[in-house]
Amino acid sequence: AQSVTQPDIHITVSEGASLELRCNYSYGATPYLFWYVQSPGQGLQLLLKYFSGDTLVQGIKGFEAEFKRSQSSFNLRKPSVHWSDAAEYFCAVGVRLGGTSYGKLTFGQGTILTVHP
Amino acid sequence: GAGVSQSPSNKVTEKGKDVELRCDPISGHTALYWYRQSLGQGLEFLIYFQGNSAPDKSGLPSDRFSAERTGGSVSTLTIQRTQQEDSAVYLCASSGTSGVTDTQYFGPGTRLTVL
Repeated sequence: AQSVTQPDIHITVSEGASLELRCNYSYGATPYLFWYVQSPGQGLQLLLKYFSGDTLVQGIKGFEAEFKRSQSSFNLRKPSVHWSDAAEYFCAVGVRLGGTSYGKLTFGQGTILTVHP
Repeated sequence: GAGVSQSPSNKVTEKGKDVELRCDPISGHTALYWYRQSLGQGLEFLIYFQGNSAPDKSGLPSDRFSAERTGGSVSTLTIQRTQQEDSAVYLCASSGTSGVTDTQYFGPGTRLTVL
């Protein structure tokens, strides 16, 4: 079965600093990978997704992620963090089941990002 | 509507009572998903609807949990004889198609507290 690990439960950065959130997945075939963000009291919002092709994907709000098959990783990055980026971030993997695929997502435990002024 | 809506936003109930949670997906979206977010288990898939049918109910934790979708739109998640371990935030998501590559749009969730 597939699984996702986010090793960092909580990360604190200063505003303007760079950010990298780690995500490792376990899945036998090519995964479908996602990063979502959840602000307090809000639902999840998709930041970016990877299916195939270029391993560096760009998302909304200035985020990007790089798929590294050799490391089974899909780390999220942002060159300069803004105070409004404080939220919880979830990495997820979707799988193809049988002859069809649907969006059954397996999520990591999440990383809480705190931004200091 | 503009996004996925869920009601109620908060629900407090007593152990043993039944509860119904509602999800209104984005108009025209054929796929609908329920997830549960709890402190101990994180975010877990519960059930998936394609139209009014549920090809995958594998995430429902027990037979106390059931869900239906009518008219290819609104979905209701019902929990019978609630237990304290059912306390969680229940999230609904919809997508235009059922493909795994299709973006899922999440509602704000229903926070369920079982006393």
